[in-house]
Formats: sequence, structure tokens, C-alpha cells
Amino acid sequence: QQQVKQSPQSLIVQKGGISIINCAYENTAFDYFPWYQQFPGKGPALLIAIRPDVSEKKEGRFTISFNKSAKQFSLHIMDSQPGDSATYFCAASKGNNDMRFGAGTRLTVKP
Amino acid sequence: DTGVSQDPRHKITKRGQNVTFRCDPISEHNRLYWYRQTLGQGPEFLTYFQNEAQLEKSRLLSDRFSAERPKGSFSTLEIQRTEQGDSAMYLCASSLMGARAEAFFGQGTRLTVV
Repeated sequence: QQQVKQSPQSLIVQKGGISIINCAYENTAFDYFPWYQQFPGKGPALLIAIRPDVSEKKEGRFTISFNKSAKQFSLHIMDSQPGDSATYFCAASKGNNDMRFGAGTRLTVKP
Repeated sequence: DTGVSQDPRHKITKRGQNVTFRCDPISEHNRLYWYRQTLGQGPEFLTYFQNEAQLEKSRLLSDRFSAERPKGSFSTLEIQRTEQGDSAMYLCASSLMGARAEAFFGQGTRLTVV
């Protein structure tokens, strides 16, 4: 059962542009929403995470926007760079156990 | 200790054989997780340990799968009588206890069942 739906499946952005990836969840018990970045042949690495008590969190060029009533959250990558080209996964969990991942978004940033 | 270590990185096995994977977590981490990732999909939770206790198992973890974490340090994941559908990347992650603790992933073991 897919509890976290992620879109788009793939995304192509020009260097310097904004990349936006969206996720929606079903389980209102979820209270931890991380985003992971994965390069080919590597395990996922935590990029940024948010809890439902705030609506936005920013770390450098990466921002999570969170809409609790709509059960949606999104990742914005500002000033996208070719080095950002990777697969991005949103996830949701209660605490940080048993994380449910989205299907992933393959981001390509063209120079 | 620079991160979560998994061994082997790649494993090719014939259908019906048993395989075992090892995960060495970050040394001070008392939580350890196993996930499975198939091509083009996000990781799927299999099971997790807090110290040596296996606290949760997914319904994805059939009777052919067993995981252990003796002494609360490294963990092993064994798959018995492998099937072609078991072909996937098996990821291990570890974290400290606490709801705000970050989970760090290893590079995974890619299993191919032929």
C-alpha cells in the first residue's frame, strides 16, 4: 500500500532554475517528513526534514513547504545546479521508525 | 567509523540458494533498520531493531526472511530459498534513539537471483 505519493516521476530543470517536487500522504499519525537524495550506486542521504508544527523549513538552497490540512509537502531547490542531479525521495513516518517512502523523482539539471 | 557499512556490495545467486547480508551500523547507534529497494521505487521498510530486540517487522518480510542483531551491534539479513522476485537492493540504516534522530543509510547490497 502506497502511503506516500510523489510527483513528478522525473524533472528536467535548467541550471539556476527552481526544482519543485511534491508529496502527499494519507496517515495523519505521521509526524516526521524527511527528504532524501540518492545518487546512483549509493544509499539515500538525508537532505532536510520537517515536523508538522511548522509550515516551512529552509536550509541553504533547499526548502520544505508543509500543508498539514491538505496532507501535502514539497521540496523546493532554488538555483538548481548540475550537481543536484539525483533521485529525490520524500518519506513520512511516526517518529523516525518505519519510514514510508515515495516512489522517487529523478531530477536532471541541465547546464 | 565513517558510516553504515554493508557487505557484500553485490551478490549473484541461483534461485533456491540461501544468502546472508551483513550490516555494521554507526557504532553509537542503537537503532538499526532494513529496507528493500527495487529499481525505480523508493525503499520499502522490512524491519527494525532497537539494540538487540527486533521491534517491528513488515508484512513484506516473508517466512523466508530472517534478521538478527546479536549483542545489539552488527545485523544480518538472511533470505532462504531465494526467488527471482527477491532481486533488489537491500539497504541498512541506523540511528540514535529519539524521534528527531536522523537515519543514516549504507550503500546497500544489490542482490540478483538468476
